[in-house]
Amino acid sequence: AQSVTQLDSQVPVFEEAPVELRCNYSSSVSVYLFWYVQYPNQGLQLLLKYLSGSTLVKGINGFEAEFNKSQTSFHLRKPSVHISDTAEYFCAVSSSPQYNTDKLIFGTGTRLQVFP
Amino acid sequence: DGGITQSPKYLFRKEGQNVTLSCEQNLNHDAMYWYRQDPGQGLRLIYYSQIVNDFQKGDIAEGYSVSREKKESFPLTVTSAQKNPTAFYLCASSERTNQFFGPGTRLTVL
Repeated sequence: AQSVTQLDSQVPVFEEAPVELRCNYSSSVSVYLFWYVQYPNQGLQLLLKYLSGSTLVKGINGFEAEFNKSQTSFHLRKPSVHISDTAEYFCAVSSSPQYNTDKLIFGTGTRLQVFP
Repeated sequence: DGGITQSPKYLFRKEGQNVTLSCEQNLNHDAMYWYRQDPGQGLRLIYYSQIVNDFQKGDIAEGYSVSREKKESFPLTVTSAQKNPTAFYLCASSERTNQFFGPGTRLTVL
């Protein structure tokens, strides 16, 4: 069975500072990894995903993540955050990458709060 | 515009009542999902459907029911057997590795 751990429930940061949101996963098989963003009272929007190939994945809004198989991590980074990046961020792993069904297992989320 | 719609946005229910949350997609996706979101717990899978007329229980299916009579529709019924139904409910659909989410329905039990 897969599981996802987001190590920080809240991350406060000042505008234009860099940020890293941490995500670790456990799985006995190959996985697909995802980061989603959720703004208040809205659905989730895909930021980026790792399926295979290059371990450095670039996404929307200037975010990127690096897949580290040996450390079973998929940390999300942004070199300079904006006020508009304030949101909840979810890391997720796909439990059935070889099938047509894409059941996702989510972490508990990290609240990114950007201050002016 | 292609996407997923959920209605209503806010729903209030008295204890003991069944309520149905609507989810419609025009993305032509075979797979659809229902998640429940509670503060500090992330998203938990309630039910999912890979194809019309077929669905499977997720991790927290007790007290919920679904149907999948049409490809574009996957309604969720919260029954009186669900002891703590107040939550934010998200519907999603997927094609391969791309999962798309609706805007959600916030259910409050009075």
